[in-house]
Amino acid sequence: EPEVTQTPSHQVTQMGQEVILRCVPISNHLYFYWYRQILGQKVEFLVSFYNNEISEKSEIFDDQFSVERPDGSNFTLKIRSTKLEDSAMYFCASSRFPGAGNTIYFGEGSWLTVV
Amino acid sequence: DAKTTQPPSMDCAEGRAANLPCNHSTISGNEYVYWYRQIHSQGPQYIIHGLKNNETNEMASLIITEDRKSSTLILPHATLRDTAVYYCIVNGAGSYQLTFGKGTKLSVIP
Repeated sequence: EPEVTQTPSHQVTQMGQEVILRCVPISNHLYFYWYRQILGQKVEFLVSFYNNEISEKSEIFDDQFSVERPDGSNFTLKIRSTKLEDSAMYFCASSRFPGAGNTIYFGEGSWLTVV
Repeated sequence: DAKTTQPPSMDCAEGRAANLPCNHSTISGNEYVYWYRQIHSQGPQYIIHGLKNNETNEMASLIITEDRKSSTLILPHATLRDTAVYYCIVNGAGSYQLTFGKGTKLSVIP
């Protein structure tokens, strides 16, 4: 069964450092997403991406965050200058189409710890 | 998106059917009901979705009331591996994001 894969599974970084989280979405999917989950809290939407553009983003996705599809298979989330409160599990997801009736599949997550 | 209400926790005996309820009284006509689950801190796992008809797949059944204001996810023979947090989510046409609530923590007991 096709799946979304994420690397690294766990990363520890110092406050102020840049972090790039990587994802390989399901191969025939066109829409890509990042979500995050702070320990003990809800899963929160960050951003959606289609055709090399951000299609929707939440208030959490500020100027410190950026997304990119650098090639035909990878989708990345960059945090420019990490803060302690960025410590969370980050989930990449993908879907063939957006919205109602279409299924979004999630990866296993990248656990980011900022110290 | 319409909001959903789920009980915070439920127990189910191993081998029995687990019936997880969800209220979505403000759902609109073009919104689907989705169910995901999250085992420990793993990524949310898609289970099933539906619009108005009941749906069944290899994992579960989804029963949606005729007025669409509530639904029930049924795991026919719960196993210990079904212990997880189950999320009921309503998602409309053209919406790019899923809005997760706190879900129902299902504990399957031996």
